[in-house]
Amino acid sequence: KQEVTQIPAALSVPEGENLVLNCSFTDSAIYNLQWFRQDPGKGLTSLLLIQSSQREQTSGRLNASLDKSSGRSTLYIAASQPGDSATYLCAVRPGTNFGNEKLTFGTGTRLTIIP
Amino acid sequence: ETGVTQSPTHLIKTRGQQVTLRCSSQSGHNTVSWYQQALGQGPQFIFQYYREEENGRGNFPPRFSGLQFPNYSSELNVNALELDDSALYLCASSVGFGNTEAFFGQGTRLTVV
Repeated sequence: KQEVTQIPAALSVPEGENLVLNCSFTDSAIYNLQWFRQDPGKGLTSLLLIQSSQREQTSGRLNASLDKSSGRSTLYIAASQPGDSATYLCAVRPGTNFGNEKLTFGTGTRLTIIP
Repeated sequence: ETGVTQSPTHLIKTRGQQVTLRCSSQSGHNTVSWYQQALGQGPQFIFQYYREEENGRGNFPPRFSGLQFPNYSSELNVNALELDDSALYLCASSVGFGNTEAFFGQGTRLTVV
């Protein structure tokens, strides 16, 4: 059974700092890994999708890496801003059992950027 | 191009009642998945529909059921509501399945009293 862990559960950093969020998963047989942002009480906004054959993806100040063999992904946020405050979730899509397409999520990292 | 939309945004129901939540998938997307997110937890997969057929289900009882319509919109029905059903219900759409990106709606907050 796939399990996804995100550490730390919460993180506070001063504005302007670079930071790294971590995600680990137990089963390396994945199609892809997706990072999401969730504001309180809201839905999920897709940030980055990394295919299993890729090592990293970049979008603006965000960079996500994937090491499938070790079951790890990181989300790097450069020059953090107060507007980055949110919960960040990672999710993996299984690469086996074709047709069972559920995403397995971690419990998220709640990020607070201090002005 | 419109995104994933869900209705209603908030709902309060009494234990034992039935509820129907609705989701319109993003334009061009033929796969819809439903997730339940309890407070402080990650979303849990309920089930997925592809071209009007269920093709995957999580660990939820049969009182959770769904439909997908020819226009690929979807409904989630929950019968005999329990207090523990209180959660944020999220709908996601994608194109086919496999190596695809999922896009989520804003969710429906269900409170069972």
